[in-house]
Amino acid sequence: QVQLVQSGAEVKKPGASVKVSCKASGYAFTAYFVHWVRQAPGQGLEWMGWINPNSGGTNYAQKFQGRVTMTSDTSISTAYMELSRLTSDDTAVYYCARIVLFSPAVWFDPWGQGTLVTVSS
Amino acid sequence: EIVLTQSPGTLSLSPGERATLSCRASQSISSSHLAWYQQKPGQAPRLLIYGASSRATGIPDRFSGSGSGTDFTLTISRLEPEDFAVYYCQQFGSSPLTFGGGTKVEIK
Repeated sequence: QVQLVQSGAEVKKPGASVKVSCKASGYAFTAYFVHWVRQAPGQGLEWMGWINPNSGGTNYAQKFQGRVTMTSDTSISTAYMELSRLTSDDTAVYYCARIVLFSPAVWFDPWGQGTLVTVSS
Repeated sequence: EIVLTQSPGTLSLSPGERATLSCRASQSISSSHLAWYQQKPGQAPRLLIYGASSRATGIPDRFSGSGSGTDFTLTISRLEPEDFAVYYCQQFGSSPLTFGGGTKVEIK
């Protein structure tokens, strides 16, 4: 079945960087963009950006420009999201999600299980 | 940026009752670009509805979506115990993609 499996929880100190992985299975990895969304504790969902695994092209939300880097390794069907200069405000669960375009409709499905990133001194 | 406002913030209902959730956009979006998700504690969001009114695979027919332009609605016709959760709408009409703040459906 179509599945996204993310790496495990991370604890980082302020100022450090974190890299989260998202391994895809059950579909052609290069045929679908991968998006990243985060959710702070008790809060809603915040979109961070996307990567096109086929070309490596990316688009980041303005809020994260200069601090986020999304990459992919097609040989192992894995997307990565790296966030630098972490602060306590970055403590959140980070999700990857596959975007499906069935013109004209668009949706996210599936989502990864989430990766908790805790930033604490 | 398109702001999605969901109301109410919390809906307290009993099993068997009907739930009506609202999602209002700050500007008009194509109904093709509106999706709804369900999220339970400790879990990732799950797709319920895409294109404003199409149920995702495996979603029971007690879930239905409607609306157009700036006003969209998710209806759960008869709440089952497993339906108590948080529901989010999302728009794909323009970047940045945005989500509503969520509606929590809780047991009364």
